[in-house]
Amino acid sequence: EAGVAQSPRYKIIEKRQSVAFWCNPISGHATLYWYQQILGQGPKLLIQFQNNGVVDDSQLPKDRFSAERLKGVDSTLKIQPAKLEDSAVYLCASSLRTEMFYGYTFGSGTRLTVV
Amino acid sequence: AQSVTQPDIHITVSEGASLELRCNYSYGATPYLFWYVQSPGQGLQLLLKYFSGDTLVQGIKGFEAEFKRSQSSFNLRKPSVHWSDAAEYFCAVGRGSTLGRLYFGRGTQLTVWP
Repeated sequence: EAGVAQSPRYKIIEKRQSVAFWCNPISGHATLYWYQQILGQGPKLLIQFQNNGVVDDSQLPKDRFSAERLKGVDSTLKIQPAKLEDSAVYLCASSLRTEMFYGYTFGSGTRLTVV
Repeated sequence: AQSVTQPDIHITVSEGASLELRCNYSYGATPYLFWYVQSPGQGLQLLLKYFSGDTLVQGIKGFEAEFKRSQSSFNLRKPSVHWSDAAEYFCAVGRGSTLGRLYFGRGTQLTVWP
């Protein structure tokens, strides 16, 4: 089966610019996650979708970050305006079912550098 | 609150030597524990997971981990390391039986000398 697809792989922008990341989960996976991984740290959850509804966005900086999952498939994560501290790898993951046993599958991530 | 501690930021071993990566968690109930591996420029790949039952779990690539409730630990082991094992390893904990947020440790970078 195809994995979780993310694009772009790399992005360099200046601070105060906007940027968007795209994620296509594994076909049939209802749950989708966006994680932020800052260099030297473990991934941190930004937002979790179940189909096209938001389950958990408690750690999403809503003044500058937004995410959507139209039609319960693809998802887009946007940052506007970007700050230097947003430099990180943004990982998308998806899972087939909600039971913890199934775990989830990560994409390769988008590395964002804000200069 | 849930937390995961990986006390070793960087470990270096010789090829063929044994490996143990440490992980301690803080969680009041029975945790759901995971080990992931991340190669440069790649996403995270699941090595193994623990939910219940036998406290010694086997994973892919010859890795195993042992859950010790008394020590709140879930250490990852491999009897003989290969050069291809060089990567970053993350321990993570989830709560409840419903998949949701995972709490990750900061990771341990493994270097393998030939």
